[in-house]
Amino acid sequence: RKEVEQDPGPFNVPEGATVAFNCTYSNSASQSFFWYRQDCRKEPKLLMSVYSSGNEDGRFTAQLNRASQYISLLIRDSKLSDSATYLCVVNNWGNAGKSTFGDGTTLTVKP
Amino acid sequence: DADVTQTPRNRITKTGKRIMLECSQTKGHDRMYWYRQDPGLGLQLIYYSFDVKDINKGEISDGYSVSRQAQAKFSLSLESAIPNQTALYFCATSDTDTGELFFGEGSRLTVL
Repeated sequence: RKEVEQDPGPFNVPEGATVAFNCTYSNSASQSFFWYRQDCRKEPKLLMSVYSSGNEDGRFTAQLNRASQYISLLIRDSKLSDSATYLCVVNNWGNAGKSTFGDGTTLTVKP
Repeated sequence: DADVTQTPRNRITKTGKRIMLECSQTKGHDRMYWYRQDPGLGLQLIYYSFDVKDINKGEISDGYSVSRQAQAKFSLSLESAIPNQTALYFCATSDTDTGELFFGEGSRLTVL
């Protein structure tokens, strides 16, 4: 089993749709959680950090459930520009601070 | 200018050749990383360094070596390239406090 697993996707949605991605992690000692966005052939860039209390940034909401060891990302009112691959990243400071990446979920938003 | 700069951005080489990918950063971060990404997959950690005197193997270090020449510079070498090392390589730094990673634009390597 992979340490970080994401919905396999791909997700194909119309503009304006709401879409949710889930990610599970196996290491209960994990301490920091992130969603990164990666456009085709480009470098990943931080979309949001994920906190236990949940956090929202405009149309994006991220939540963490430590008891069930999963992280979610909700995108409301999808835009064409949201089309990308979304990477779930888990960091365990106890593991020398290394970050572990999920394989990513690809989202395509269509007109 | 980018905070994390990788060179070369694209390289085609032949099996058995020695290749060096270079990375420099202006973020002032102590922690630097080299990742590899294959199509449809996430990033796999090759090597990481938490300061100039600290070098650690990641998940897939076989066939690779690194050098941390200074806080700002971290290079990755393939001593004898093979075709299955064809991939997109990313250098990154991280903020010690938040864990956020900052990536270079990537180096696309093709080994024929």
